[in-house]
Amino acid sequence: AQSVTQPDARVTVSEGASLQLRCKYSYSGTPYLFWYVQYPRQGLQLLLKYYSGDPVVQGVNGFEAEFSKSNSSFHLRKASVHWSDSAVYFCALRTGGYKVVFGSGTRLLVSP
Amino acid sequence: DMKVTQMPRYLIKRMGENVLLECGQDMSHETMYWYRQDPGLGLQLIYISYDVDSNSEGDIPKGYRVSRKKREHFSLILDSAKTNQTSVYFCASSEGAGAEQFFGPGTRLTVL
Repeated sequence: AQSVTQPDARVTVSEGASLQLRCKYSYSGTPYLFWYVQYPRQGLQLLLKYYSGDPVVQGVNGFEAEFSKSNSSFHLRKASVHWSDSAVYFCALRTGGYKVVFGSGTRLLVSP
Repeated sequence: DMKVTQMPRYLIKRMGENVLLECGQDMSHETMYWYRQDPGLGLQLIYISYDVDSNSEGDIPKGYRVSRKKREHFSLILDSAKTNQTSVYFCASSEGAGAEQFFGPGTRLTVL
């Protein structure tokens, strides 16, 4: 069965530090992968997506993610976080058709 | 302006009452979704709609039904709400099967 695992429920980093949020997926075919961000009391917003090609994809606000087929991973990175990046981040997988499977989310807290 | 709206934003109901959650989008997207979000569980898919009167069950359809009579409008109905349906409900739309989803701000439903 298809699944997405975000092993870190909470991550705390200092402002200005680098960030990596981990995402592992389970799917035997070619995945379509997404990272979404959710700010308090709001819906999810797309950060970036990967369909094919260059395994490193750029997103909004300085975020990027790297796809690894061998590791079944799609980790999110940012070189220098800002306090406004505090939010919940979801990794998502589209396996075929219209269904999208979401991970359980990682809550990021950026400390001053 | 690409937007998904949800009404109401907050709702309190008693067990056994009927609930109607409404969702609209202004992008003429064919595909629309209803999810619920519970702490630590990410988003769980309730129903997908591929177009007017073309709906399909998601992963947790029990206790819910949907209605889509116009492309821009998608309703979630709870007949005789239960306390375990207390959750935050999100509507989303997308242009096609592999495209990103646009999310509404959510409806926080409490069933007493």
